[in-house]
Amino acid sequence: GESVGLHLPTLSVQEGDNSIINCAYSNSASDYFIWYKQESGKGPQFIIDIRSNMDKRQGQRVTVLLNKTVKHLSLQIAATQPGDSAVYFCADHSGGYQKVTFGTGTKLQVIP
Amino acid sequence: DAGVIQSPRHEVTEMGQEVTLRCKPISGHDYLFWYRQTMMRGLELLIYFNNNVPIDDSGMPEDRFSAKMPNASFSTLKIQPSEPRDSAVYFCASSLVGAAYGYTFGSGTRLTVV
Repeated sequence: GESVGLHLPTLSVQEGDNSIINCAYSNSASDYFIWYKQESGKGPQFIIDIRSNMDKRQGQRVTVLLNKTVKHLSLQIAATQPGDSAVYFCADHSGGYQKVTFGTGTKLQVIP
Repeated sequence: DAGVIQSPRHEVTEMGQEVTLRCKPISGHDYLFWYRQTMMRGLELLIYFNNNVPIDDSGMPEDRFSAKMPNASFSTLKIQPSEPRDSAVYFCASSLVGAAYGYTFGSGTRLTVV
């Protein structure tokens, strides 16, 4: 039969509310994690990163939380704005390899 | 800095034709990566270079795909012959010291093979 495309999970958030995007990773040896934002028609853009020896890192309006026990990563966006509408990818890196593995992505829709 | 520059932005070609995608990394970056993005498979790493030398090409789908980096400021990804299943967006990314500081991606080349 015909193959179906990858269905991205979608998070719809009211403008001004906080957004939380979650990501699970599988490699317990991953030592570095990155969140990327991809707007329509553009390449992924680096947002924030975190190393495995940390459990929280804050940037401007964004916070990344890392829970190594359950291999879970989250991206929190404060006061979500229409410009935050995009697909967000988490990526993880394992020591010794100069490449990262990207997750499937979450589409964030901001409702004005 | 103009960022990672890819050309062309869009390419439509007939099945069986040769396609060449081009990338200019950020000056001073020593790693270059080629990714393919499709709805079916998401972002897939095809190959990456360090100091112009191919390090890992295990993601290259088959012999129809080849990549070169003749110098620090230029890389190509070639598909010969092209097939409809190669239709995707191809991204080039560069970084300094590998993944340690994240990648900078280009805007991509949308390839359509008819």
